Amino acid sequence: DIQMTQSPSSMSASLGDRVTITCQASQDIGNNLIWFQQKPGKSPRRMIYYATNLANGVPSRFSGSRSGSDYSLTIISLESEDMADYHCLQYKQYPWTFGGGTKLELK
Amino acid sequence: QVQLKESGPVLVQASETLSLTCTVSGFSLTNYGVIWVRQSPGKGLEWMGIIWGDGNTDYNSALKSRLSINRDTSKSQVFLKMNSLQTDDTAIYYCTRAPVDYWGQGVMVTVSS
Repeated sequence: DIQMTQSPSSMSASLGDRVTITCQASQDIGNNLIWFQQKPGKSPRRMIYYATNLANGVPSRFSGSRSGSDYSLTIISLESEDMADYHCLQYKQYPWTFGGGTKLELK
Repeated sequence: QVQLKESGPVLVQASETLSLTCTVSGFSLTNYGVIWVRQSPGKGLEWMGIIWGDGNTDYNSALKSRLSINRDTSKSQVFLKMNSLQTDDTAIYYCTRAPVDYWGQGVMVTVSS
C-alpha cells in the first residue's frame, strides 16, 4: 500500500499567518492527490484536487503544490474559519490511502 | 443539487453484519462512482471501496473478505454490507461521490461486544 506521511500532526498559528501542511508519498502517485478540510462534527470538504487545482467555492488563499513526492497545502493568510483538520488522499493506486491528518489550531 | 445520505443501524453486535444504505440525489449512479470511507479515532480515515458507474467494484484488500458494495440504480441507492464485525469497526461511515467531491453526513456505527 502507498503510505502518505502527513506533517505536522498538529500545529497552532495566528490569524494572518502563512501555513503549510505536507504529505509525502511512499511511491509515485503523480498528481493524484486530494486535500480535504474537516471541521468538528462535519464531513470532509474537498479543497484541492489533482494536487494543485482549487475546488469550487474554496477561497483563493488556499493552494496546492507538488515537489517530487512531497505535496503541500498552503494557506497564505490564515483566517479563523480555517481552523480545522486537514487530510490528504492519494487515489493513484488501490487501496486509496489517507494521510494521518493535521489539526490546525489558533495560537 | 447533489446530495448523499447514509442510513442504517447505529449499534451492531460483534460478529454480526453491518448493512448501510447511501441514498443519492442530483446525479445518476450510472454516471458516477460512489465510495465508502470510514473514520475512527484509532485509525483515522480509511478508504473501504468503490462501486463505479458501470457497476464494477474495487475494495480495500484489508476488508475485501468481509465487504460487499452493491447498488439499486432505480432507487438511487448504494449498499454496503460488512460481516464479522469487531469492536474496532466502530467508526463514522461516509459515502462520497467519486471523485470525492460530495459527501454524506456520515453515520456513526458502534460495534458492541
